[in-house]
Amino acid sequence: NAGVTQTPKFRILKIGQSMTLQCAQDMNHNYMYWYRQDPGMGLKLIYYSVGAGITDKGEVPNGYNVSRSTTEDFPLRLELAAPSQTSVYFCASRRQENNSPLHFGNGTRLTVT
Amino acid sequence: AQSVAQPEDQVNVAEGNPLTVKCTYSVSGNPYLFWYVQYPNRGLQFLLKYITGDNLVKGSYGFEAEFNKSQTSFHLKKPSALVSDSALYFCAVRDARAGGSYIPTFGRGTSLIVHP
Repeated sequence: NAGVTQTPKFRILKIGQSMTLQCAQDMNHNYMYWYRQDPGMGLKLIYYSVGAGITDKGEVPNGYNVSRSTTEDFPLRLELAAPSQTSVYFCASRRQENNSPLHFGNGTRLTVT
Repeated sequence: AQSVAQPEDQVNVAEGNPLTVKCTYSVSGNPYLFWYVQYPNRGLQFLLKYITGDNLVKGSYGFEAEFNKSQTSFHLKKPSALVSDSALYFCAVRDARAGGSYIPTFGRGTSLIVHP
C-alpha cells in the first residue's frame, strides 16, 4: 500500500491564483481530513469527509473547498489564493472504527506571494 | 467538548537519559488518546494509542505512554533517548462515546531535542 499520497510536494502561487491540492489513499478508508500546519500553531482542521459524497467544514474552512466523489480521493481547492494561505497542508485518513489512528501524507508546502 | 494541552514547547534531554513529553486532556466521556511523531518535512506518524485497559501503553520505537485518569494525563516516555528521537511530538484526543466527534483534537506539539 502506498498509504496517503499528496501532490504536489511544493508550490508557489501568486496572489489571486487558484490551485487544487491532490490527496489519494489506497487503504479504503472512509474518513479523510485536510489540515494546515503553521509554525508553533499545531494542526488546524480545514475540511473533513466521512465518506464519498459527504463533506463538512472544520475549524478554518474559509478560502477553501473540497469534494469527495470517490472513497480514494479528497482534493482541496484554493480559490483566489492569499498570503495567509501560505502553510504546509496535510491530508489524513482513517478507518471507520472510532479508535483508529490517522494516517498522514507527507504534505504540500504552499507559498503565496 | 474536547481539548489537549502540551505544556512544553520544547524538551531537551541528553542521549541515554529517560525522556518525558507531557500531555493533559479534557473530554466529556472516556478518551481515546494518541501520540504521533513528525520528522522534518514529513507527515505525522502514529506512535501509540490508549483505548481502555492497561494504563501503560507500549508503542513504536521503544516509546510508551502512561494513562492517568485522575490527573487526565497521557505522558509519553522512553527509558533511554536516542539522537534520532529528535522530532516534533503531538498528542491527540477523541471522545470515546458513541456518536462522539469524528474529529480528533491535537495539541500544539512539543519539539524534542536529544543532545549527543
